[in-house]
Amino acid sequence: EPEVTQTPSHQVTQMGQEVILRCVPISNHLYFYWYRQILGQKVEFLVSFYNNEISEKSEIFDDQFSVERPDGSNFTLKIRSTKLEDSAMYFCASRDHNRGSNQPQHFGDGTRLSIL
Amino acid sequence: AQSVAQPEDQVNVAEGNPLTVKCTYSVSGNPYLFWYVQYPNRGLQFLLKYITGDNLVKGSYGFEAEFNKSQTSFHLKKPSALVSDSALYFCAVRAQYSGNTPLVFGKGTRLSVIA
Repeated sequence: EPEVTQTPSHQVTQMGQEVILRCVPISNHLYFYWYRQILGQKVEFLVSFYNNEISEKSEIFDDQFSVERPDGSNFTLKIRSTKLEDSAMYFCASRDHNRGSNQPQHFGDGTRLSIL
Repeated sequence: AQSVAQPEDQVNVAEGNPLTVKCTYSVSGNPYLFWYVQYPNRGLQFLLKYITGDNLVKGSYGFEAEFNKSQTSFHLKKPSALVSDSALYFCAVRAQYSGNTPLVFGKGTRLSVIA
């Protein structure tokens, strides 16, 4: 069964540095999402992306965040100047567009981001 | 605004016994409802969904969930729990016909199945 893949699995970065989290969505999916999960807390929506533009973003997704689909397969999340509170698991998800908006989102295994 | 409540942080059940993980939701209009499971160091794995039609939906690994519109609930159930079912379970909702709106998740319920 096709999967969403995320790299790296764990990223350790100094505060103030830029990080790029990478995702390869399922190949025929066109809706993409980033969520994050701070340790022990709920999964929170960051941003959704379709047709090469952001569809919706949450209050968390401020100017330090950006997303990009640089080629036909990758979907990246960039955090420009990391803060301690950015430490979390970041999940990428994708959804099939062909069978209506009720299709489930499929999630990757996440990138654990640790800011020192 | 959409929201999901999972009132139990932890559910403990003996192997072989039935299990229930509770979920209630709030959404404008009709909902799409989902259950996901998260094993340690893994992503969210889709279990089942309610879209329309039969209120009892069946999903992966013998799980099922019952949609109750009057109680705005979507409780997850399994007739006979396995130790391997021990994991973190998330209920999620989005409004029907809402385009590309994201899922809203509950805070999760940790299920422990004891041998």
